[in-house]
Amino acid sequence: AQSVTQLDSQVPVFEEAPVELRCNYSSSVSVYLFWYVQYPNQGLQLLLKYLSGSTLVKGINGFEAEFNKSQTSFHLRKPSVHISDTAEYFCAVTPGTGGTSYGKLTFGQGTILTVHP
Amino acid sequence: GAVVSQHPSWVICKSGTSVKIECRSLDFQATTMFWYRQFPKQSLMLMATSNEGSKATYEQGVEKDKFLINHASLTLSTLTVTSAHPEDSSFYICSARWDIQYFGAGTRLSVL
Repeated sequence: AQSVTQLDSQVPVFEEAPVELRCNYSSSVSVYLFWYVQYPNQGLQLLLKYLSGSTLVKGINGFEAEFNKSQTSFHLRKPSVHISDTAEYFCAVTPGTGGTSYGKLTFGQGTILTVHP
Repeated sequence: GAVVSQHPSWVICKSGTSVKIECRSLDFQATTMFWYRQFPKQSLMLMATSNEGSKATYEQGVEKDKFLINHASLTLSTLTVTSAHPEDSSFYICSARWDIQYFGAGTRLSVL
C-alpha cells in the first residue's frame, strides 16, 4: 500500500515570491508521482508527473518538482508565484508496476496555496 | 490533450431520490475509469474502479448497492446514487485512464 503526506495544509505567500509545497510518500514498490491543482468547485488539473528518467520534472504554469528517492519526497516548487496560483494542490502516487493497486491513485491531504498581493 | 467530461456539474435532489452522474472520455477510449468522493476541505477518496464490460470494484467501506456504477462503453461510465440522503451530499469526481488518469470537473451533489 502507498501513503502520501503533504506536510503543510496551508501556505500563504506574497506575489512574486518563491514557494515550495512539500510531499513525502511511503511505498513498498516503485511509484509514479503526480502533482494536481484544484480550483474551487472544479476537478483536478495535472501540473506535472514523474514516471522515470530525470528526477527534475517541469510542468505547466512554471511549476517544477524534484523526485528524491532516498528521502521519498516529491516537493513542488515555483520561483515566482502569481495571484492566479491561489488554489489547492494535491500530491498523488500510484504503483509503477502491476498488481491489484495498479492505476489507483493515493492522494495527500492537500495544500492550500494562497498568494497575497 | 485528453478530455474528460462530467455531467451534471451541480445537482440538488430530495432525500430518497436517485441521482445519476455521467463521466465521458471525449477523445480517447478508457477501459478503466475511477470514481472519487471529496468532502469539504478534504482530499479525494477513491470509491470504486469501473471497468468496461465488467463489474466495478469497490473500495472497502463503500456500499455497492447505494453507489451503482455502470461502464457500458469505452467512453462512458455512470455513477448512480440510489435513495440519496443528506449524508451523501459531497463532491464526486471521476477520472478516466489512458496513459495516466485524466479528471472530470466534478459534480456537486446536494441532498435536501
